[in-house]
Amino acid sequence: DGGITQSPKYLFRKEGQNVTLSCEQNLNHDAMYWYRQDPGQGLRLIYYSQIVNDFQKGDIAEGYSVSREKKESFPLTVTSAQKNPTAFYLCASTGQGNTGELFFGEGSRLTVL
Amino acid sequence: SQQGEEDPQALSIQEGENATMNCSYKTSINNLQWYRQNSGRGLVHLILIRSNEREKHSGRLRVTLDTSKKSSSLLITASRAADTASYFCATDASSGYSTLTFGKGTMLLVSP
Repeated sequence: DGGITQSPKYLFRKEGQNVTLSCEQNLNHDAMYWYRQDPGQGLRLIYYSQIVNDFQKGDIAEGYSVSREKKESFPLTVTSAQKNPTAFYLCASTGQGNTGELFFGEGSRLTVL
Repeated sequence: SQQGEEDPQALSIQEGENATMNCSYKTSINNLQWYRQNSGRGLVHLILIRSNEREKHSGRLRVTLDTSKKSSSLLITASRAADTASYFCATDASSGYSTLTFGKGTMLLVSP
């Protein structure tokens, strides 16, 4: 079945450590996105990519990094520079010619101990 | 950046009742979308309404859009316990690929 797979679902990290969240899609979508969600809050855009080897910062990119080496994959690294990394991270994608509907993965919950 | 704001923040109803959620936004849009999120899960797209549309239906969902008031409403008719979730509106002001801006959501609880 086509979809977006995020891993891991739960992740614990010590302060000062970098961590990479995986996002893979088999929908043949060109554009991919990373959002952060805090309790009781909406989604905030971290980074997005519309094409391989190209990506743009969203509203809260500081302390995060991404890469887009393959169309199917858009990993997010939460660096030690991110001051408050504990959150629920959501990856999404949309296809060329799409109406704008986003398809989301099931999310990764990161907790910094 | 522009952002949709949902109202109310939380809504509690009985099964069979209708649920209405509202969304207001600040700037011109190309389209407005509604998403649903079950607790701890990803978001699921429900419906999209374009700026030149006033009303749209999908099953038990009815969405209206008033661009003069910069507002939208989502009506869920004959609600079920399975409709319990958070509902988000998202606005799209871009051409080409989406860069949606999400509101904080309405948490809907439907009791049996």
